[in-house]
Amino acid sequence: GAGVSQTPSNKVTEKGKYVELRCDPISGHTALYWYRQSLGQGPEFLIYFQGTGAADDSGLPNDRFFAVRPEGSVSTLKIQRTERGDSAVYLCASSLTPQENTEAFFGQGTRLTVV
Amino acid sequence: GENVEQHPSTLSVQEGDSAVIKCTYSDSASNYFPWYKQELGKRPQLIIDIRSNVGEKKDQRIAVTLNKTAKHFSLHITETQPEDSAVYFCAASKPGGYNKLIFGAGTRLAVHP
Repeated sequence: GAGVSQTPSNKVTEKGKYVELRCDPISGHTALYWYRQSLGQGPEFLIYFQGTGAADDSGLPNDRFFAVRPEGSVSTLKIQRTERGDSAVYLCASSLTPQENTEAFFGQGTRLTVV
Repeated sequence: GENVEQHPSTLSVQEGDSAVIKCTYSDSASNYFPWYKQELGKRPQLIIDIRSNVGEKKDQRIAVTLNKTAKHFSLHITETQPEDSAVYFCAASKPGGYNKLIFGAGTRLAVHP
Protein backbone atom coordinates (compact mmCIF):
# COMPACT_ATOMS: atom_id res chain seq x y z
CA GLY A 1 0.00 0.00 0.00
CA ALA A 2 0.90 3.64 -0.20
CA GLY A 3 1.25 4.23 3.50
CA VAL A 4 1.37 2.61 6.91
CA SER A 5 -1.89 0.78 7.53
CA GLN A 6 -3.27 -0.05 10.97
CA THR A 7 -6.23 -2.21 11.84
CA PRO A 8 -8.67 -1.97 13.41
CA SER A 9 -9.11 1.80 13.42
CA ASN A 10 -11.18 1.55 16.59
CA LYS A 11 -11.35 -1.15 19.23
CA VAL A 12 -13.58 -1.23 22.28
CA THR A 13 -12.89 -3.99 24.74
CA GLU A 14 -13.85 -4.91 28.25
CA LYS A 15 -11.41 -4.66 31.12
CA GLY A 16 -9.45 -7.88 31.47
CA LYS A 17 -9.75 -8.93 27.83
CA TYR A 18 -6.94 -9.59 25.36
CA VAL A 19 -6.48 -7.43 22.25
CA GLU A 20 -4.29 -7.49 19.17
CA LEU A 21 -3.47 -4.44 17.09
CA ARG A 22 -2.03 -4.83 13.61
CA CYS A 23 0.40 -2.70 11.63
CA ASP A 24 1.30 -3.03 7.94
CA PRO A 25 4.37 -0.86 7.30
CA ILE A 26 5.33 0.67 3.99
CA SER A 27 6.74 -2.02 1.73
CA GLY A 28 10.51 -2.26 2.01
CA HIS A 29 10.77 -0.37 5.28
CA THR A 30 13.02 -2.31 7.63
CA ALA A 31 12.44 -0.26 10.76
CA LEU A 32 9.09 -0.34 12.57
CA TYR A 33 8.06 1.53 15.70
CA TRP A 34 5.05 1.45 18.00
CA TYR A 35 4.02 4.57 19.90
CA ARG A 36 1.14 5.28 22.26
CA GLN A 37 -0.66 8.62 22.26
CA SER A 38 -2.85 9.55 25.19
CA LEU A 39 -5.38 12.36 24.89
CA GLY A 40 -3.71 15.74 24.68
CA GLN A 41 -0.20 14.29 24.66
CA GLY A 42 2.53 13.57 22.15
CA PRO A 43 3.28 10.04 21.01
CA GLU A 44 5.26 7.99 23.52
CA PHE A 45 7.74 5.36 22.31
CA LEU A 46 6.89 1.72 23.07
CA ILE A 47 9.06 -0.60 20.95
CA TYR A 48 11.33 -0.67 17.91
CA PHE A 49 11.86 -3.51 15.43
CA GLN A 50 14.73 -3.84 13.01
CA GLY A 51 13.68 -6.64 10.73
CA THR A 52 12.14 -9.42 12.78
CA GLY A 53 13.77 -8.65 16.09
CA ALA A 54 12.69 -6.24 18.81
CA ALA A 55 15.84 -4.15 19.15
CA ASP A 56 14.43 -1.90 21.86
CA ASP A 57 11.36 -2.67 23.95
CA SER A 58 12.23 -0.27 26.75
CA GLY A 59 9.03 1.73 26.29
CA LEU A 60 6.61 -1.13 26.93
CA PRO A 61 4.87 -0.18 30.19
CA ASN A 62 4.74 -3.68 31.70
CA ASP A 63 4.71 -7.37 30.83
CA ARG A 64 1.08 -7.26 29.72
CA PHE A 65 2.35 -5.66 26.51
CA PHE A 66 4.11 -7.66 23.83
CA ALA A 67 4.80 -7.17 20.14
CA VAL A 68 5.97 -9.40 17.31
CA ARG A 69 7.08 -9.02 13.72
CA PRO A 70 7.67 -12.61 12.62
CA GLU A 71 8.46 -12.04 8.95
CA GLY A 72 9.98 -8.60 9.15
CA SER A 73 6.95 -6.84 7.71
CA VAL A 74 3.58 -6.89 9.51
CA SER A 75 3.70 -6.33 13.25
CA THR A 76 1.17 -7.11 15.96
CA LEU A 77 0.97 -5.39 19.33
CA LYS A 78 -0.64 -7.61 21.92
CA ILE A 79 -2.11 -6.46 25.21
CA GLN A 80 -3.17 -8.98 27.85
CA ARG A 81 -5.59 -8.35 30.72
CA THR A 82 -6.43 -4.88 29.46
CA GLU A 83 -6.94 -2.08 31.97
CA ARG A 84 -8.81 1.20 31.60
CA GLY A 85 -5.49 3.03 31.70
CA ASP A 86 -4.49 1.29 28.47
CA SER A 87 -7.05 3.40 26.60
CA ALA A 88 -5.17 5.49 24.05
CA VAL A 89 -4.37 5.75 20.36
CA TYR A 90 -1.70 3.23 19.38
CA LEU A 91 0.40 4.51 16.49
CA CYS A 92 2.69 2.51 14.28
CA ALA A 93 5.47 4.10 12.22
CA SER A 94 7.97 2.76 9.72
CA SER A 95 11.10 4.11 8.09
CA LEU A 96 13.20 2.92 5.20
CA THR A 97 16.24 2.52 7.39
CA PRO A 98 16.71 2.75 11.15
CA GLN A 99 19.12 5.68 10.91
CA GLU A 100 18.36 8.52 13.29
CA ASN A 101 17.67 11.14 10.63
CA THR A 102 15.36 9.04 8.50
CA GLU A 103 11.75 10.15 8.18
CA ALA A 104 9.29 8.05 10.13
CA PHE A 105 5.89 7.61 8.45
CA PHE A 106 2.96 7.12 10.80
CA GLY A 107 -0.22 5.15 10.41
CA GLN A 108 -3.57 6.59 11.41
CA GLY A 109 -3.54 4.62 14.61
CA THR A 110 -5.86 2.29 16.48
CA ARG A 111 -8.02 3.98 19.07
CA LEU A 112 -8.31 1.51 21.95
CA THR A 113 -11.01 2.03 24.54
CA VAL A 114 -11.11 -0.23 27.56
CA VAL A 115 -14.46 -0.12 29.37
CA GLY B 1 15.54 10.68 31.42
CA GLU B 2 15.06 12.25 28.02
CA ASN B 3 12.56 15.06 27.88
CA VAL B 4 11.18 17.48 25.29
CA GLU B 5 9.23 20.49 26.49
CA GLN B 6 7.01 22.38 24.08
CA HIS B 7 5.40 25.82 24.39
CA PRO B 8 2.82 27.15 24.09
CA SER B 9 0.22 24.42 24.50
CA THR B 10 -2.31 26.49 22.56
CA LEU B 11 -1.82 29.31 20.08
CA SER B 12 -4.46 31.42 18.39
CA VAL B 13 -3.57 33.77 15.53
CA GLN B 14 -5.30 35.75 12.83
CA GLU B 15 -4.94 34.62 9.25
CA GLY B 16 -1.81 36.14 7.76
CA ASP B 17 0.00 36.48 11.08
CA SER B 18 3.07 34.46 12.03
CA ALA B 19 3.12 31.61 14.54
CA VAL B 20 6.10 30.45 16.58
CA ILE B 21 6.34 27.24 18.60
CA LYS B 22 9.33 26.55 20.81
CA CYS B 23 10.85 23.34 22.14
CA THR B 24 13.70 22.45 24.43
CA TYR B 25 15.33 19.05 24.78
CA SER B 26 17.43 17.52 27.49
CA ASP B 27 19.82 15.09 25.76
CA SER B 28 22.70 17.02 24.22
CA ALA B 29 23.49 14.00 22.02
CA SER B 30 20.21 14.31 20.11
CA ASN B 31 20.94 15.15 16.49
CA TYR B 32 17.64 14.98 14.60
CA PHE B 33 14.62 17.21 15.21
CA PRO B 34 11.44 16.63 13.19
CA TRP B 35 8.18 18.54 13.40
CA TYR B 36 4.88 16.76 12.84
CA LYS B 37 1.44 18.19 12.06
CA GLN B 38 -1.58 16.22 13.23
CA GLU B 39 -5.09 17.16 12.16
CA LEU B 40 -8.00 15.92 14.22
CA GLY B 41 -8.35 12.15 13.94
CA LYS B 42 -5.54 11.85 11.43
CA ARG B 43 -2.00 10.54 11.44
CA PRO B 44 0.98 12.72 12.38
CA GLN B 45 2.68 13.97 9.21
CA LEU B 46 6.22 15.27 8.93
CA ILE B 47 6.28 18.90 7.82
CA ILE B 48 9.94 19.78 8.29
CA ASP B 49 13.01 18.44 10.04
CA ILE B 50 16.46 19.68 10.91
CA ARG B 51 19.73 17.93 11.65
CA SER B 52 22.25 19.03 14.21
CA ASN B 53 24.80 20.23 11.67
CA VAL B 54 22.40 22.91 10.43
CA GLY B 55 21.19 26.00 12.27
CA GLU B 56 18.19 26.87 10.13
CA LYS B 57 16.07 25.32 7.43
CA LYS B 58 13.23 26.81 5.40
CA ASP B 59 10.51 25.34 3.23
CA GLN B 60 8.13 27.92 1.77
CA ARG B 61 6.14 29.37 4.70
CA ILE B 62 7.71 27.06 7.28
CA ALA B 63 11.12 27.42 8.91
CA VAL B 64 12.87 25.71 11.76
CA THR B 65 15.81 27.02 13.78
CA LEU B 66 18.11 25.05 16.05
CA ASN B 67 20.38 26.27 18.84
CA LYS B 68 22.39 23.26 19.96
CA THR B 69 24.21 25.14 22.69
CA ALA B 70 20.97 26.14 24.37
CA LYS B 71 19.20 22.91 23.31
CA HIS B 72 16.35 24.91 21.80
CA PHE B 73 14.59 24.54 18.47
CA SER B 74 11.64 26.46 17.07
CA LEU B 75 9.04 26.22 14.32
CA HIS B 76 8.08 29.40 12.48
CA ILE B 77 5.02 29.59 10.23
CA THR B 78 4.55 32.80 8.27
CA GLU B 79 1.43 34.06 6.50
CA THR B 80 -0.72 31.57 8.37
CA GLN B 81 -3.83 30.16 6.70
CA PRO B 82 -6.89 28.47 8.21
CA GLU B 83 -5.67 25.11 6.88
CA ASP B 84 -2.60 25.46 9.12
CA SER B 85 -4.92 24.85 12.07
CA ALA B 86 -3.84 21.57 13.70
CA VAL B 87 -1.76 20.18 16.57
CA TYR B 88 1.98 20.48 16.01
CA PHE B 89 4.49 18.20 17.72
CA CYS B 90 8.21 18.69 18.00
CA ALA B 91 10.48 15.71 18.60
CA ALA B 92 14.11 14.95 19.28
CA SER B 93 15.90 11.74 18.43
CA LYS B 94 17.18 9.63 21.29
CA PRO B 95 20.72 8.62 20.41
CA GLY B 96 21.13 4.91 19.92
CA GLY B 97 21.61 4.29 16.24
CA TYR B 98 17.97 4.27 15.31
CA ASN B 99 15.11 6.72 14.97
CA LYS B 100 13.61 6.66 18.45
CA LEU B 101 11.78 9.94 18.88
CA ILE B 102 10.91 11.77 22.08
CA PHE B 103 7.91 14.01 21.44
CA GLY B 104 6.75 17.22 23.03
CA ALA B 105 3.21 17.46 24.35
CA GLY B 106 1.99 19.39 21.31
CA THR B 107 0.73 22.85 20.42
CA ARG B 108 -2.82 23.35 19.25
CA LEU B 109 -2.72 26.09 16.62
CA ALA B 110 -5.92 27.85 15.61
CA VAL B 111 -5.80 30.25 12.65
CA HIS B 112 -8.86 32.48 12.48
CA PRO B 113 -10.04 33.91 9.14
